[in-house]
Amino acid sequence: DAKTTQPPSMDCAEGRAANLPCNHSTISGNEYVYWYRQIHSQGPQYIIHGLKNNETNEMASLIITEDRKSSTLILPHATLRDTAVYYCIVRPHNAGNMLTFGGGTRLMVKP
Amino acid sequence: SAVISQKPSRDICQRGTSLTIQCQVDSQVTMMFWYRQQPGQSLTLIATANQGSEATYESGFVIDKFPISRPNLTFSTLTVSNMSPEDSSIYLCSGDPGRGREAFFGQGTRLTVV
Repeated sequence: DAKTTQPPSMDCAEGRAANLPCNHSTISGNEYVYWYRQIHSQGPQYIIHGLKNNETNEMASLIITEDRKSSTLILPHATLRDTAVYYCIVRPHNAGNMLTFGGGTRLMVKP
Repeated sequence: SAVISQKPSRDICQRGTSLTIQCQVDSQVTMMFWYRQQPGQSLTLIATANQGSEATYESGFVIDKFPISRPNLTFSTLTVSNMSPEDSSIYLCSGDPGRGREAFFGQGTRLTVV
């Protein structure tokens, strides 16, 4: 699986958009970008995934650059409950759900 | 989405003893995975557990230390054997529902070895 690079930490004001970047410059054509988050003392939770088009669901939006070498997860209106570690993972779809976790970004949403 | 019940949620164990962690899924899953999360670190895959075959271990993890059972499509156990303080971690199980659906996780077992 391709390697990802994320900033170790970010802060965001409550109610504002949180934009979490991820670099995956070695991504190959059949690899998707997945985002998970881990709230303190809980197991990781799936957020969203995409291949090359932008994606949106009830939790977040995923913006993937045209060259697919980077992406941004957007939480449109961050709340205190969004404080968590966010992991960007690149892997082939339907390749088995063993996940390779990098360091992730620790997002702190502040009042 | 499917739910995994993981037990125990936490335990404090004496060195040299063993602890078995159980994960029960509320639906059948083809593959289950076990991860370790050392203090302040990210998750590391220990092994993949398939029903009817031996678990497949990642580099650095061996069956004698982390024996795994997978008796059916809804249940798996991980044993941490002959524990030392270095085994103090959070252990998590994960299920693969197949058909392109995303992995889901148990809540983790926080293990402290004293």
